Amino acid sequence: GAVVSQHPSWVICKSGTSVKIECRSLDFQATTMFWYRQFPKQSLMLMATSNEGSKATYEQGVEKDKFLINHASLTLSTLTVTSAHPEDSSFYICSAPPPRQSNEQFFGPGTRLTVL
Amino acid sequence: GENVEQHPSTLSVQEGDSAVIKCTYSDSASNYFPWYKQELGKRPQLIIDIRSNVGEKKDQRIAVTLNKTAKHFSLHITETQPEDSAVYFCAASTGGSYIPTFGRGTSLIVHP
Repeated sequence: GAVVSQHPSWVICKSGTSVKIECRSLDFQATTMFWYRQFPKQSLMLMATSNEGSKATYEQGVEKDKFLINHASLTLSTLTVTSAHPEDSSFYICSAPPPRQSNEQFFGPGTRLTVL
Repeated sequence: GENVEQHPSTLSVQEGDSAVIKCTYSDSASNYFPWYKQELGKRPQLIIDIRSNVGEKKDQRIAVTLNKTAKHFSLHITETQPEDSAVYFCAASTGGSYIPTFGRGTSLIVHP
């Protein structure tokens, strides 16, 4: 099946710094990728849809200036958490639909962000 | 937009018992209903899915049923094992959309 990777798998940073998370589709091209945030013991909440060659679409309540998304190529999307604060600590997961016509999504392994 | 409700939030069973998790959805246009299993710190894994043209689907110990009229679908796990312990999420999405709306999750605990 389609494989999606994320890097890093975990990161610890100081408050006020920026953190970049990469999401890659390894064996297929993805014109669209999705970024989710999951707080402990909660569900996955869609943050934004990353579109190759155009601006990302953000969900209501998600600050686009704080969570910068860049879909640089057909296999790479990045999420940058700018000026991170402890409340941004969460599990960030990306996903991409497979190349064939399907509703199924393939999730990356996730990135655990801890902001001190 | 779509709203998916999931119950129960926690389910504790003895090994060998059956477990049932129920979800309801609000958007009658939804036609794809996946179930995911997520272990702590890991990505969600698709375990079974069902489309609106099917009422039931089974894969070994796991089955899913769908009632489109009532807008609810359920996950059934038989002969539960300790390794089934995880958080299970239901989801719903519409045709042409790859974006599922997730339920809140059910923490399943299987006691040996």
